[in-house]
Amino acid sequence: EDQVTQSPEALRLQEGESSSLNCSYTVSGLRGLFWYRQDPGKGPEFLFTLYSAGEEKEKERLKATLTKKESFLHITAPKPEDSATYLCAVPETSGSRLTFGEGTQLTVNP
Amino acid sequence: DGGITQSPKYLFRKEGQNVTLSCEQNLNHDAMYWYRQDPGQGLRLIYYSQIVNDFQKGDIAEGYSVSREKKESFPLTVTSAQKNPTAFYLCASRVQGYTGELFFGEGSRLTVL
Repeated sequence: EDQVTQSPEALRLQEGESSSLNCSYTVSGLRGLFWYRQDPGKGPEFLFTLYSAGEEKEKERLKATLTKKESFLHITAPKPEDSATYLCAVPETSGSRLTFGEGTQLTVNP
Repeated sequence: DGGITQSPKYLFRKEGQNVTLSCEQNLNHDAMYWYRQDPGQGLRLIYYSQIVNDFQKGDIAEGYSVSREKKESFPLTVTSAQKNPTAFYLCASRVQGYTGELFFGEGSRLTVL
């Protein structure tokens, strides 16, 4: 069964304090891993797609990396506006559905 | 601008009433999805459709129904058979046959009084 596990469930940082979020997965034949940002009361906003181990993508203070078993979302010198829930997802073996993790709720204090 | 429009944003319903949530997209996507999100939980798939006039049950389809008469539209009906319907509902779409990312609407929050 395809599974996606995110850790930690919640993370509280001070502004400027860098850290990483983890997304571990078990799926047969990875066809991509997606990161989303979700603000309270809003739909998830797409951030990155990673397709192969070793791949990295960056956007402002965020960098996503991928290994054969997990992905990390590194946040460098975060700001309060980076506060959100970050979700990761992988396509199921059939390819037609995505399996989502339960998310990491990030709070960045000024 | 292309995107996914969900309406209404907030909806209140009395127990025993059916309610329909609207989802319209102008992205020319073939596949559309409905998810439910409860506080502190991830997204759970209710129904999805990969082509007009065809749809499949997701993991929590009981008490819900859908239709796909047009490519652009995928309405979700929450029936009185759904035992705990209060939740945040999200509609999404993507290109069929492509294992790429989903694009989401802004969500509809349903509260049962």
